[in-house]
Amino acid sequence: DSGVTQTPKHLITATGQRVTLRCSPRSGDLSVYWYQQSLDQGLQFLIQYYNGEERAKGNILERFSAQQFPDLHSELNLSSLELGDSALYFCASSERTGRGEQFFGPGTRLTVL
Amino acid sequence: AQKITQTQPGMFVQEKEAVTLDCTYDTSDQSYGLFWYKQPSSGEMIFLIYQGSYDEQNATEGRYSLNFQKARKSANLVISASQLGDSAMYFCALVSMNRDDKIIFGKGTRLHILP
Repeated sequence: DSGVTQTPKHLITATGQRVTLRCSPRSGDLSVYWYQQSLDQGLQFLIQYYNGEERAKGNILERFSAQQFPDLHSELNLSSLELGDSALYFCASSERTGRGEQFFGPGTRLTVL
Repeated sequence: AQKITQTQPGMFVQEKEAVTLDCTYDTSDQSYGLFWYKQPSSGEMIFLIYQGSYDEQNATEGRYSLNFQKARKSANLVISASQLGDSAMYFCALVSMNRDDKIIFGKGTRLHILP
Protein backbone atom coordinates (compact mmCIF):
# COMPACT_ATOMS: atom_id res chain seq x y z
CA ASP A 1 0.00 0.00 0.00
CA SER A 2 1.58 3.26 -1.20
CA GLY A 3 -0.56 5.49 1.02
CA VAL A 4 -2.10 7.20 -2.01
CA THR A 5 -5.82 6.62 -2.38
CA GLN A 6 -7.91 7.02 -5.48
CA THR A 7 -11.66 6.82 -5.88
CA PRO A 8 -13.52 5.35 -7.55
CA LYS A 9 -11.65 2.22 -8.53
CA HIS A 10 -13.80 1.66 -11.59
CA LEU A 11 -16.03 4.04 -13.51
CA ILE A 12 -18.26 3.24 -16.45
CA THR A 13 -19.97 6.08 -18.24
CA ALA A 14 -21.25 7.14 -21.63
CA THR A 15 -19.82 9.41 -24.28
CA GLY A 16 -20.48 13.09 -23.69
CA GLN A 17 -20.62 12.72 -19.94
CA ARG A 18 -18.47 14.34 -17.27
CA VAL A 19 -16.71 12.51 -14.44
CA THR A 20 -14.54 13.46 -11.48
CA LEU A 21 -11.67 11.33 -10.24
CA ARG A 22 -10.39 11.90 -6.75
CA CYS A 23 -6.95 11.44 -5.26
CA SER A 24 -5.65 11.75 -1.72
CA PRO A 25 -1.85 11.94 -1.51
CA ARG A 26 0.31 10.38 1.15
CA SER A 27 0.33 12.28 4.39
CA GLY A 28 2.85 15.11 4.11
CA ASP A 29 3.27 14.95 0.33
CA LEU A 30 2.76 18.31 -1.32
CA SER A 31 3.03 17.25 -4.96
CA VAL A 32 0.30 15.44 -6.83
CA TYR A 33 0.66 14.11 -10.35
CA TRP A 34 -1.96 12.73 -12.72
CA TYR A 35 -1.21 10.17 -15.42
CA GLN A 36 -3.22 8.43 -18.11
CA GLN A 37 -2.34 4.92 -19.22
CA SER A 38 -3.91 3.54 -22.36
CA LEU A 39 -2.93 0.72 -24.67
CA ASP A 40 -2.19 2.92 -27.65
CA GLN A 41 -0.64 5.95 -25.91
CA GLY A 42 1.21 4.24 -23.10
CA LEU A 43 1.74 6.12 -19.84
CA GLN A 44 1.25 9.85 -20.29
CA PHE A 45 1.89 12.58 -17.77
CA LEU A 46 -1.11 14.90 -17.58
CA ILE A 47 -0.56 17.52 -14.92
CA GLN A 48 1.18 18.23 -11.63
CA TYR A 49 0.17 20.32 -8.64
CA TYR A 50 2.43 21.43 -5.84
CA ASN A 51 0.87 22.76 -2.65
CA GLY A 52 -2.26 23.89 -4.42
CA GLU A 53 -0.62 25.48 -7.44
CA GLU A 54 -0.30 24.04 -10.93
CA ARG A 55 3.36 23.18 -11.44
CA ALA A 56 3.65 21.37 -14.75
CA LYS A 57 1.41 20.46 -17.63
CA GLY A 58 1.81 17.49 -19.91
CA ASN A 59 -0.45 16.05 -22.55
CA ILE A 60 -3.67 17.12 -20.93
CA LEU A 61 -6.62 17.80 -23.20
CA GLU A 62 -8.61 21.02 -22.88
CA ARG A 63 -11.65 18.91 -21.94
CA PHE A 64 -9.74 17.80 -18.84
CA SER A 65 -9.02 19.94 -15.82
CA ALA A 66 -7.64 19.38 -12.37
CA GLN A 67 -7.21 21.13 -9.09
CA GLN A 68 -5.58 20.60 -5.73
CA PHE A 69 -7.48 21.68 -2.66
CA PRO A 70 -6.17 23.23 0.59
CA ASP A 71 -6.20 19.80 2.25
CA LEU A 72 -3.95 18.67 -0.65
CA HIS A 73 -6.37 16.19 -2.16
CA SER A 74 -6.78 16.54 -5.89
CA GLU A 75 -9.52 16.01 -8.41
CA LEU A 76 -9.27 15.36 -12.13
CA ASN A 77 -12.33 16.40 -14.10
CA LEU A 78 -12.95 14.83 -17.49
CA SER A 79 -15.74 16.28 -19.60
CA SER A 80 -17.35 15.63 -22.99
CA LEU A 81 -16.00 12.13 -22.71
CA GLU A 82 -15.05 10.21 -25.83
CA LEU A 83 -14.44 6.52 -26.38
CA GLY A 84 -10.72 7.22 -26.59
CA ASP A 85 -10.69 8.55 -23.04
CA SER A 86 -11.12 5.01 -21.75
CA ALA A 87 -7.94 4.36 -19.79
CA LEU A 88 -6.38 3.79 -16.40
CA TYR A 89 -5.87 7.09 -14.60
CA PHE A 90 -3.17 7.17 -11.96
CA CYS A 91 -2.51 9.71 -9.31
CA ALA A 92 0.91 9.87 -7.68
CA SER A 93 2.34 11.98 -4.91
CA SER A 94 5.76 12.97 -3.75
CA GLU A 95 7.19 14.91 -0.87
CA ARG A 96 9.11 17.31 -3.05
CA THR A 97 8.58 18.49 -6.54
CA GLY A 98 10.26 16.61 -9.37
CA ARG A 99 12.76 14.65 -7.32
CA GLY A 100 12.96 11.24 -5.88
CA GLU A 101 10.26 8.73 -5.47
CA GLN A 102 6.69 9.18 -6.61
CA PHE A 103 4.13 7.02 -4.87
CA PHE A 104 1.34 5.83 -7.15
CA GLY A 105 -2.24 5.18 -6.20
CA PRO A 106 -4.04 2.05 -7.38
CA GLY A 107 -5.60 3.90 -10.32
CA THR A 108 -9.12 4.52 -11.58
CA ARG A 109 -10.21 2.42 -14.53
CA LEU A 110 -12.45 4.59 -16.72
CA THR A 111 -14.56 2.94 -19.39
CA VAL A 112 -16.47 5.16 -21.78
CA LEU A 113 -19.21 3.36 -23.70
CA ALA B 1 12.69 17.96 -26.61
CA GLN B 2 12.91 15.13 -24.12
CA LYS B 3 12.73 11.52 -25.14
CA ILE B 4 12.92 8.13 -23.47
CA THR B 5 13.58 4.97 -25.45
CA GLN B 6 13.16 1.41 -24.25
CA THR B 7 14.18 -0.80 -27.14
CA GLN B 8 13.20 -4.17 -25.68
CA PRO B 9 9.43 -4.66 -25.90
CA GLY B 10 9.72 -8.10 -24.31
CA MET B 11 12.34 -10.26 -22.61
CA PHE B 12 12.46 -13.85 -21.39
CA VAL B 13 14.96 -14.68 -18.67
CA GLN B 14 15.64 -17.80 -16.65
CA GLU B 15 14.97 -17.56 -12.93
CA LYS B 16 18.03 -16.60 -10.81
CA GLU B 17 19.81 -15.00 -13.76
CA ALA B 18 20.66 -11.30 -13.79
CA VAL B 19 18.62 -9.08 -16.11
CA THR B 20 19.49 -5.78 -17.77
CA LEU B 21 16.66 -3.63 -19.07
CA ASP B 22 17.79 -0.92 -21.45
CA CYS B 23 16.81 2.72 -21.30
CA THR B 24 18.27 5.59 -23.27
CA TYR B 25 17.18 9.17 -22.98
CA ASP B 26 17.60 12.50 -24.62
CA THR B 27 17.37 15.84 -22.88
CA SER B 28 18.98 19.25 -23.19
CA ASP B 29 18.58 19.88 -19.48
CA GLN B 30 21.58 19.71 -17.18
CA SER B 31 19.50 18.80 -14.15
CA TYR B 32 17.20 15.82 -14.48
CA GLY B 33 16.17 12.61 -12.83
CA LEU B 34 15.57 9.10 -14.02
CA PHE B 35 13.13 6.62 -12.54
CA TRP B 36 12.31 2.98 -12.99
CA TYR B 37 8.88 1.63 -12.17
CA LYS B 38 7.46 -1.88 -12.16
CA GLN B 39 3.89 -2.63 -13.15
CA PRO B 40 2.76 -6.19 -12.40
CA SER B 41 -0.33 -7.65 -14.01
CA SER B 42 -2.41 -6.34 -11.10
CA GLY B 43 -1.85 -2.84 -12.50
CA GLU B 44 -0.25 -0.91 -9.68
CA MET B 45 2.87 1.14 -10.34
CA ILE B 46 5.72 0.33 -7.99
CA PHE B 47 8.71 2.64 -7.64
CA LEU B 48 12.00 0.79 -7.94
CA ILE B 49 14.87 3.22 -8.16
CA TYR B 50 15.82 6.85 -8.82
CA GLN B 51 18.98 8.47 -10.20
CA GLY B 52 19.67 12.18 -10.27
CA SER B 53 21.82 13.58 -13.06
CA TYR B 54 24.31 14.98 -10.55
CA ASP B 55 24.51 11.83 -8.45
CA GLU B 56 28.06 10.60 -8.66
CA GLN B 57 27.32 7.02 -7.76
CA ASN B 58 24.94 4.62 -9.42
CA ALA B 59 21.75 4.14 -7.46
CA THR B 60 21.08 0.79 -5.82
CA GLU B 61 18.02 -0.54 -4.01
CA GLY B 62 18.31 -4.13 -2.89
CA ARG B 63 18.40 -6.35 -5.98
CA TYR B 64 17.95 -3.34 -8.25
CA SER B 65 20.74 -1.15 -9.52
CA LEU B 66 20.83 1.54 -12.13
CA ASN B 67 23.74 1.55 -14.55
CA PHE B 68 23.92 5.28 -15.23
CA GLN B 69 26.19 6.31 -18.11
CA LYS B 70 25.67 10.02 -18.48
CA ALA B 71 27.85 10.56 -21.53
CA ARG B 72 25.98 7.81 -23.39
CA LYS B 73 22.65 8.99 -21.98
CA SER B 74 21.72 5.56 -20.80
CA ALA B 75 20.11 4.45 -17.53
CA ASN B 76 19.81 0.70 -17.64
CA LEU B 77 18.10 -1.20 -14.84
CA VAL B 78 19.91 -4.28 -13.57
CA ILE B 79 18.01 -6.88 -11.57
CA SER B 80 20.24 -9.40 -9.87
CA ALA B 81 19.14 -12.96 -9.13
CA SER B 82 15.77 -12.66 -10.84
CA GLN B 83 12.68 -14.17 -9.25
CA LEU B 84 9.35 -15.30 -10.66
CA GLY B 85 7.73 -12.29 -9.00
CA ASP B 86 9.85 -10.00 -11.16
CA SER B 87 7.65 -10.84 -14.15
CA ALA B 88 6.02 -7.52 -14.96
CA MET B 89 6.13 -4.46 -17.19
CA TYR B 90 9.03 -2.10 -16.45
CA PHE B 91 8.98 1.59 -17.28
CA CYS B 92 11.84 4.05 -17.44
CA ALA B 93 10.94 7.71 -16.91
CA LEU B 94 12.72 11.06 -17.21
CA VAL B 95 11.91 14.20 -15.27
CA SER B 96 13.26 17.67 -15.92
CA MET B 97 14.27 19.69 -12.89
CA ASN B 98 14.22 23.00 -14.72
CA ARG B 99 11.32 25.39 -14.99
CA ASP B 100 8.81 22.59 -14.94
CA ASP B 101 8.76 19.01 -13.79
CA LYS B 102 7.41 17.37 -16.91
CA ILE B 103 7.81 13.65 -16.76
CA ILE B 104 7.92 11.33 -19.72
CA PHE B 105 7.77 7.55 -19.67
CA GLY B 106 9.20 5.02 -22.06
CA LYS B 107 6.92 2.47 -23.71
CA GLY B 108 8.04 -0.19 -21.30
CA THR B 109 9.65 -3.63 -21.40
CA ARG B 110 7.65 -6.71 -20.52
CA LEU B 111 9.85 -9.08 -18.55
CA HIS B 112 9.00 -12.75 -18.26
CA ILE B 113 10.92 -14.83 -15.72
CA LEU B 114 10.96 -18.52 -16.59
CA PRO B 115 11.12 -21.22 -13.88
